[in-house]
Amino acid sequence: EVQLVETGGGLVQPGKSLKLTCATSGFTFSNAWMDWVRQSPEKQLEWVAQIKDKSNNYATYYAESVKGRFTISRDDSKSSVYLQMNSLKEEDTAIYYCTWPVVEWGQGVMVTVSS
Amino acid sequence: DIQMTQSPASLSASLGETVTIECRASEDIYSNLAWYQQKPGNSPQLLIYDANSLADGVPSRFSGSGSGTQYSLKINSLQSEDVASYFCQQYNNYPFTFGSGTKLEIK
Repeated sequence: EVQLVETGGGLVQPGKSLKLTCATSGFTFSNAWMDWVRQSPEKQLEWVAQIKDKSNNYATYYAESVKGRFTISRDDSKSSVYLQMNSLKEEDTAIYYCTWPVVEWGQGVMVTVSS
Repeated sequence: DIQMTQSPASLSASLGETVTIECRASEDIYSNLAWYQQKPGNSPQLLIYDANSLADGVPSRFSGSGSGTQYSLKINSLQSEDVASYFCQQYNNYPFTFGSGTKLEIK
């Protein structure tokens, strides 16, 4: 059974940082491209970032809204993907989902940016 | 960025009816389109990928069609458990983009 479990969410002040972790199991993680997607309080979905696998040199891609502030990374030895979020803004408030693109989504973790 | 225009925003139908939800892309996405179902409090679940391929375990009353810039999701014989929000997503070009969603209710 494929599982993706996100942790690391919470309440943070504007300008601060937070790191999300997604632990996976049930599929060959090292061959998988992985995404982060977020859903705003208004229920709109926004793709945030993608990291490809080793054979694609771990290439990364970002939404313009987070470029330069967020960093996606992975550890194949731990079957985990991460999202380092810096300089957080109130508009980053959302549920953050780790996804095996198109195939499977985690349960999501809430990030609230507020003073 | 590719804009995904999804319609309608909300839909109310009777049990047993057939409903159709549409997504129009701002440019050709070559059938690189997925449909998801999201029930309240849950994460989105894959229904259709590559525009018309049914995901594992998804009932055959769900079907997808389309090409180029026009795509649709059809639900035959509407069941009570189909009450949910539905989203399309293109994965042809970065950034991958989603439709704004369709909220389906039972009359």
